[in-house]
Amino acid sequence: DAKTTQPPSMDCAEGRAANLPCNHSTISGNEYVYWYRQIHSQGPQYIIHGLKNNETNEMASLIITEDRKSSTLILPHATLRDTAVYYCIVRVLINAGNMLTFGGGTRLMVKP
Amino acid sequence: KAGVTQTPRYLIKTRGQQVTLSCSPISGHRSVSWYQQTPGQGLQFLFEYFSETQRNKGNFPGRFSGRQFSNSRSEMNVSTLELGDSALYLCASSFTGNSYEQYFGPGTRLTVT
Repeated sequence: DAKTTQPPSMDCAEGRAANLPCNHSTISGNEYVYWYRQIHSQGPQYIIHGLKNNETNEMASLIITEDRKSSTLILPHATLRDTAVYYCIVRVLINAGNMLTFGGGTRLMVKP
Repeated sequence: KAGVTQTPRYLIKTRGQQVTLSCSPISGHRSVSWYQQTPGQGLQFLFEYFSETQRNKGNFPGRFSGRQFSNSRSEMNVSTLELGDSALYLCASSFTGNSYEQYFGPGTRLTVT
């Protein structure tokens, strides 16, 4: 699986959009981009995933650049409960099992 | 639908002992994966089971083992515990063997003294 690079920490004001970047310059054509987050003392939680098109769900939006070498997770209106470590993961989906390779993630602090 | 449950939630063991942790996946889920989380190494994949067969294994010594039962419940065992095995052990379940979404349990906090 391709390696990802994320900033170790970010701050965001409550109510503002949180934009979390991820670099995955060695991503291959069959690898998806996944985002999970881990709120303190809990297990990680799936947020969203995508291959090459932008994706949106009730939690967040995922913007993938045209060359697929980087992506941005957007939390449109961050709340204090969004304070967590956010992990960007790239992996193939088919015939690879469910193994996830977590990097260091980005610690997002949402401030009042 | 009940989430992934892990028992026990907290455990204290002594070096040299062995420990067994249990994970009950979401009903209907057939894949169970295990992860170790430590402050120094972060979240690391241990192994994955699907329909009672181990499909993937992480880079951990043979002291770490696991199994999955016909009802998809899974156990992991760590023998001859070392201080460095102190960690949060997380279990994740998913419906199929190639799922985009995995559901994690709350974890078992193991302390080795």
